[in-house]
Amino acid sequence: QLQLQESGPGLVKPSETLSLTCTVSGGSMSSSSYYWGWIRQPPGKGLEWIGSFFSSENTYYNASLESRVTISVDTSKNQFSLNLTSVTAADTAVYYCARRRFYSFDLWGRGTLVTVSS
Amino acid sequence: EIVLTQSPGTLSLSPGERATLSCRASQSVSSSYLAWYQQKPGQTPRLLIYGASSRATGIPDRFSGTGSGTDFSLTISKVEPEDFAVYYCQQYGRSLTFGGGTKVEIK
Repeated sequence: QLQLQESGPGLVKPSETLSLTCTVSGGSMSSSSYYWGWIRQPPGKGLEWIGSFFSSENTYYNASLESRVTISVDTSKNQFSLNLTSVTAADTAVYYCARRRFYSFDLWGRGTLVTVSS
Repeated sequence: EIVLTQSPGTLSLSPGERATLSCRASQSVSSSYLAWYQQKPGQTPRLLIYGASSRATGIPDRFSGTGSGTDFSLTISKVEPEDFAVYYCQQYGRSLTFGGGTKVEIK
């Protein structure tokens, strides 16, 4: 059974880079035809899509974050990563990695809270 | 960017009642690209409906989705105690956006 798990620092200082990794277990990312992505949710607020990819050559981002976001993939490790630069308190959120199928996200990680604070 | 507006913001119902949630898009959305999620406090969002009307795996048939163009809805035929949660719609187009959510609470 495929599972996703986010990992990374829970606290990031303002102006620094937020880096998270999503590890896919129970199956191979490279043997599937899915898109994968990152979504975040500020405390007490709604969901915001960050970006998605099919392969390292086919990645696209939320226009409001595009200048600060990079999503990369390491299929040999069955992982993909999120880098968000120049963070502020507004980037404090639970960050989810997820699998996209039929234009919707059908499998989610449990999420990891990242707080931006000095 | 397509903006999704969900209404009402909060829906107060008793178990057994019918719930109708609305999701209105600022531009036309292909029905294939509209989804609904349920999120309970402290939990991960759960896909309920994709392609506007197809139930995801394991979703009870009391949940149904309809709509086209700019107007979509999610209906819970008879609300069960475990259905009290926040519901989000999501569209995939030139970008991907979520609605602001509708909270279904116990009356």
